[in-house]
Amino acid sequence: QKEVEQDPGPLSVPEGAIVSLNCTYSNSAFQYFMWYRQYSRKGPELLMYTYSSGNKEDGRFTAQVDKSSKYISLFIRDSQPSDSATYLCAMRTSGTYKYIFGTGTRLKVLA
Amino acid sequence: NAGVTQTPKFQVLKTGQSMTLQCAQDMNHNSMYWYRQDPGMGLRLIYYSASEGTTDKGEVPNGYNVSRLNKREFSLRLESAAPSQTSVYFCAVQAPPANEQFFGPGTRLTVL
Repeated sequence: QKEVEQDPGPLSVPEGAIVSLNCTYSNSAFQYFMWYRQYSRKGPELLMYTYSSGNKEDGRFTAQVDKSSKYISLFIRDSQPSDSATYLCAMRTSGTYKYIFGTGTRLKVLA
Repeated sequence: NAGVTQTPKFQVLKTGQSMTLQCAQDMNHNSMYWYRQDPGMGLRLIYYSASEGTTDKGEVPNGYNVSRLNKREFSLRLESAAPSQTSVYFCAVQAPPANEQFFGPGTRLTVL
């Protein structure tokens, strides 16, 4: 079993929809969580960073961490075709430099 | 990807050839990373450097060497390339205090 699991998709939604992207993990010691967006043939771009549990909002993006369920989510409101990309989650424990990445979920927002 | 540059963008090698991938940052941070990204495997850490002159192995270091001669640059060397090293290679810089990682644009390497 991988430490971080992410559905590869593709996930297709119509423009304007609310998108929910998720990762599950097995290591209860993970404390730091990140979401990246990666366009085709580009490097990952940091979207959201959260520490421990709770929600964090930035514009149309909301990141949620549920440590009791070992589950993190990224919500995208009013999705746009420009949101079409692969979304990667990443996480680490405290006291280590090593992030564990999910394999990514490919999102397609249809105009 | 602002602040982290990688060269070359693309490279084709024959089995057994050597090459060095270059990474440079203008963010003035200490920690730098090399990852490879393969379909279905996600990003896997090859090597890590906490500061100038120090390096540590990551998850998949075999077949690679690294060099961190100064704060700005972190290079990855393939001494004898193998087809299994066909991948997209990303360099990343870690920024304190939250320790987010910022990635370069990548080098797409094919080994024939």
